[in-house]
Amino acid sequence: RKEVEQDPGPFNVPEGATVAFNCTYSNSASQSFFWYRQDCRKEPKLLMSVYSSGNEDGRFTAQLNRASQYISLLIRDSKLSDSATYLCGRGAGSYQLTFGKGTKLSVIP
Amino acid sequence: EPEVTQTPSHQVTQMGQEVILRCVPISNHLYFYWYRQILGQKVEFLVSFYNNEISEKSEIFDDQFSVERPDGSNFTLKIRSTKLEDSAMYFCASKDSSNQPQHFGDGTRLSIL
Repeated sequence: RKEVEQDPGPFNVPEGATVAFNCTYSNSASQSFFWYRQDCRKEPKLLMSVYSSGNEDGRFTAQLNRASQYISLLIRDSKLSDSATYLCGRGAGSYQLTFGKGTKLSVIP
Repeated sequence: EPEVTQTPSHQVTQMGQEVILRCVPISNHLYFYWYRQILGQKVEFLVSFYNNEISEKSEIFDDQFSVERPDGSNFTLKIRSTKLEDSAMYFCASKDSSNQPQHFGDGTRLSIL
């Protein structure tokens, strides 16, 4: 049973494009969701927490849809530096984060 | 900005030997975690630690593994009788309260020969 699923990509987009990723989860008791980015052979770095009301941080917008059990990440005006793997993480209180396999994004000049 | 720090950055060990991976979580954090990532695979949870005891562990975290917080700052992962398949990146993470995000250290690359 896969608890968190992501499209592995790769998503190849030109600079300046808007790109969106989805992540689906199977455990309806889940409480907290996060997007992390991971560069090759580096640690996951927190991008943003995800709230039901939706939240925005500059070019990044995250949304949680509890009814349909998915979260989304929208990146506007893509930069070359956005190239990375984006990990969806599901947490429940103090317990573990369960990650998806990640979606690879390549922003092309 | 406070960081989780891990040492060493790279550890090479002969199969069958014991290794200790070290982590210094962010100073006011209360929850501590170890994860591993085999090359090309996803980040997998190993163990969580709170109030000086293990609060949750995965199937991967068997008798070969142990964790310890020997003082007020360090959090260690010990792997006994290492196997080739233990080769992976090992990440330590910490957070300050239950619903906050976890912050990761930059990892230890463990290579078992």
